[in-house]
Amino acid sequence: SYELTQPPSVSVSPGQTATITCSGDNLGDKFTYWYQQRPGQSPVLVIYEDSKRPSGIPGRFSGSSSGTTATLTISGSQTMDEADYYCQAWHNNRAFFGGGTKLTLL
Amino acid sequence: QIQMLQSGPEVKRPGASVKVSCKTSGYTFTSYGISWVRQAPGQGLEWVGWISTYNGKTNSAQRLQNRVTLTTDTSTSTAYMELRSLRSDDTALYFCARTSVLIDPSALLTWGPGTVVTVSS
Repeated sequence: SYELTQPPSVSVSPGQTATITCSGDNLGDKFTYWYQQRPGQSPVLVIYEDSKRPSGIPGRFSGSSSGTTATLTISGSQTMDEADYYCQAWHNNRAFFGGGTKLTLL
Repeated sequence: QIQMLQSGPEVKRPGASVKVSCKTSGYTFTSYGISWVRQAPGQGLEWVGWISTYNGKTNSAQRLQNRVTLTTDTSTSTAYMELRSLRSDDTALYFCARTSVLIDPSALLTWGPGTVVTVSS
C-alpha cells in the first residue's frame, strides 16, 4: 500500500495564492497528478507529471515536487477555483489518491 | 469530441454482483487505458483498477482484487467493471477514466459522469 497525505482544508482570499501539499514516501521519485472536483461534478485533471498543465487548464495552476512533498499552487485564486483537490501517484502499478483538500475562497 | 458514457444507476442486494459499462468515443480506444475510480457518499476518491485496452492487462486495488473484474470490448470501444459479493460499503459513485499510458499507466485524462451503485437490503 502507499499513503498520500493532504490537508483537509485550505482557505484563501480571492486574488491570493493557494498552496495545497501532498506528502508520501519518496513521492519525489514518482510523478504526481492533481485533480479538481467541483461539487456534483466529475474530477478534472489540472496537473500531470508533477508540473505539466493539460490544454485548457488556466496558467494560474502550477505544480512542483521534491523529496516527499508535491505542491499544487493556484496563483490569483478565483471563486471558480473553490473545489476539492486530490493528488494521485502510481506505486507498483497501482494508483493511490490523497484524501483530498477542500479549497475555500473567503 | 471525447465522450465517456456510463451505464445507469444500479441498486443491488448484499452478496449480488454489478457490472458497469463505459462506452467511449472520439478517440482511438486501444491507444489509452481505462481506469475505474469510486467515491463513496461524501468521501474521497478510491482507485478500483486499471485495464490496458491494448493487451487486456489489468491491475486492481489490493483490497478489491478478489472481487473485481475489468474487461473491454474493442469492437464497441466499451470497458466494463464487474464487482462481486457486494457489501454496503461498496455503495458509491463509480467513474471510468481514459488513462494515458507511457509503458505504464499515467494520467487519468478524461472522466465519465459516474454510475451510482447502491447496495442495500
